[in-house]
Amino acid sequence: DGGITQSPKYLFRKEGQNVTLSCEQNLNHDAMYWYRQDPGQGLRLIYYSQIVNDFQKGDIAEGYSVSREKKESFPLTVTSAQKNPTAFYLCASSMPAGQQPYNEQFFGPGTRLTVL
Amino acid sequence: GDSVTQMEGPVTLSEEAFLTINCTYTATGYPSLFWYVQYPGEGLQLLLKATKADDKGSNKGFEATYRKETTSFHLEKGSVQVSDSAVYFCALKSGGSYIPTFGRGTSLIVHP
Repeated sequence: DGGITQSPKYLFRKEGQNVTLSCEQNLNHDAMYWYRQDPGQGLRLIYYSQIVNDFQKGDIAEGYSVSREKKESFPLTVTSAQKNPTAFYLCASSMPAGQQPYNEQFFGPGTRLTVL
Repeated sequence: GDSVTQMEGPVTLSEEAFLTINCTYTATGYPSLFWYVQYPGEGLQLLLKATKADDKGSNKGFEATYRKETTSFHLEKGSVQVSDSAVYFCALKSGGSYIPTFGRGTSLIVHP
């Protein structure tokens, strides 16, 4: 079955620590995304990547970092510079806009990060 | 820029009631329109989509029609079930763009 996996499902972090959230997809999608969701809020884009070894900042990139060394993987690191990291993090992927202009996104199950 | 406006929730209904969740948009050109559903503690799933004016997307009893003249894409279901309780997101994607625009989501609560 093709899909997106995120791990871990729950993550606890002490203040001052960096943590890395995993996102893997086997859909052969070029584009991948990270969103943050706070209670009762919509989705806010953190970073996105259109192709391997390339990524761009979204609306709330401060305090986060990403890498895209493989097509299948797009890990997100929440650094100690992120002042309020407690949230639900969603990874998504899609076909490139050029191949299918009106394509939807596929989402992973999410990681809930809590700062202790 | 592009934007999506959804009705605020929560929307609270009894089982078998008729559902409408309003969604209007502003966009350049002719975007594709989507409804996603998010069940508690899970990621978003595509519910339905429409790619051009007057298209009707449908899935699991839900329907939405792409109305260009009113820039709307309202979600409807004739008879809701308790299992439909979730948050529903309206979204659009302009042609050639990698980044969709999401509404803030509307929570639906269905009571038995």
